[in-house]
Amino acid sequence: DQQVKQNSPSLSVQEGRISILNCDYTNSMFDYFLWYKKYPAEGPTFLISISSIKDKNEDGRFTVFLNKSAKHLSLHIVPSQPGDSAVYFCAASDGSEKLVFGKGTKLTVNP
Amino acid sequence: DTEVTQTPKHLVMGMTNKKSLKCEQHMGHRAMYWYKQKAKKPPELMFVYSYEKLSINESVPSRFSPECPNSSLLNLHLHALQPEDSALYLCASSQVYGGAGELFFGEGSRLTVL
Repeated sequence: DQQVKQNSPSLSVQEGRISILNCDYTNSMFDYFLWYKKYPAEGPTFLISISSIKDKNEDGRFTVFLNKSAKHLSLHIVPSQPGDSAVYFCAASDGSEKLVFGKGTKLTVNP
Repeated sequence: DTEVTQTPKHLVMGMTNKKSLKCEQHMGHRAMYWYKQKAKKPPELMFVYSYEKLSINESVPSRFSPECPNSSLLNLHLHALQPEDSALYLCASSQVYGGAGELFFGEGSRLTVL
């Protein structure tokens, strides 16, 4: 039973364009959402987060949108750069110490 | 220092061996975590320590034994593992307890059980 779903295993975009990574969740108790980026042979690194009291959080080229009624969040990267190529994990917390991860989306940004 | 350091990076062991994975952080974080990640799967939580006390054990088999000697160190002792335990073991730490906030992950220890 996957509580956090990333239905696109991979995404390919051109450099300079927008990358949109999507994430859906089923547990209505989740109130904090995070995105992590993972390069090969490295651990995940925190990218950006959003609390359920907000619907948008922006940090430089990265913006996360949250639609609570649809139980959906998305990560926008504008403009995309080749160095953004990595696996992106969506994660959610219900206020406990458990962070539930999605399966990840592999983003490839082509020069 | 914003690093979580894990050793060894790679470990190959037989099913009868006893080995340990080590994790260290010097960020003053009071919560530390062990996650297991298999290929093309998300990280799965194994254990959480808060203030050096075990707060979550996700029904992990007893052949995995965590230990938190102090607030900077976290060990995972391995004994009588099975080949299906081969995976990337990730350590993480966080500043916030009582809610999984931003976790800082190490690079992981890739374990192969023969």
